Amino acid sequence: KAGVTQTPRYLIKTRGQQVTLSCSPISGHRSVSWYQQTPGQGLQFLFEYFSETQRNKGNFPGRFSGRQFSNSRSEMNVSTLELGDSALYLCASSLEGIAYEQYFGPGTRLTVT
Amino acid sequence: GENVGLHLPTLSVQEGDNSIINCAYSNSASDYFIWYKQESGKGPQFIIDIRSNMDKRQGQRVTVLLNKTVKHLSLQIAATQPGDSAVYFCAEIGGYNQGGKLIFGQGTELSVKP
Repeated sequence: KAGVTQTPRYLIKTRGQQVTLSCSPISGHRSVSWYQQTPGQGLQFLFEYFSETQRNKGNFPGRFSGRQFSNSRSEMNVSTLELGDSALYLCASSLEGIAYEQYFGPGTRLTVT
Repeated sequence: GENVGLHLPTLSVQEGDNSIINCAYSNSASDYFIWYKQESGKGPQFIIDIRSNMDKRQGQRVTVLLNKTVKHLSLQIAATQPGDSAVYFCAEIGGYNQGGKLIFGQGTELSVKP
């Protein structure tokens, strides 16, 4: 069974731009969640989507948004990029949700200059 | 994935020894706890989980202990191997049936000496 895939793996953007990251979950998984990982803040939960609906949300500003499609694939969008948005963005999928075993992708490394 | 933080707590053990990694969680209402392992260049990998109605759970070479009285979680790795070298994170979630948030600890770097 294929694992969680994320595209692109690396991305460089300029302040003020917006970016869209993509995540394809493991086949059959309905839950996709997103995380930000930085040296200063560690791993932080962004949000979770389940069957195309946002079910849980962390404490991030509205510039961070996401969506999930009917095939469970998910995208995360960050608008008006700031230098502090430079991070590794991880997505994870699960059969039932974040309170169950999750499988993480390799992440997208975003650098904002 | 990468090791998180410039000053992660570090645990160094000899191959074959047992390792104990500790975690203090923050929310007394948390009812689900997970341990993850993150190797350099990879995303976190689920190791073991435990619900708040349990105080111990065992997996293959790993045991998780939960002490709700002092809000403490530990991961025990038996017969530690070089492949166990990684950063280990604990995570907690409160109200997982009511849209709870997953909160991660800062991580502990485990280094296994051959």
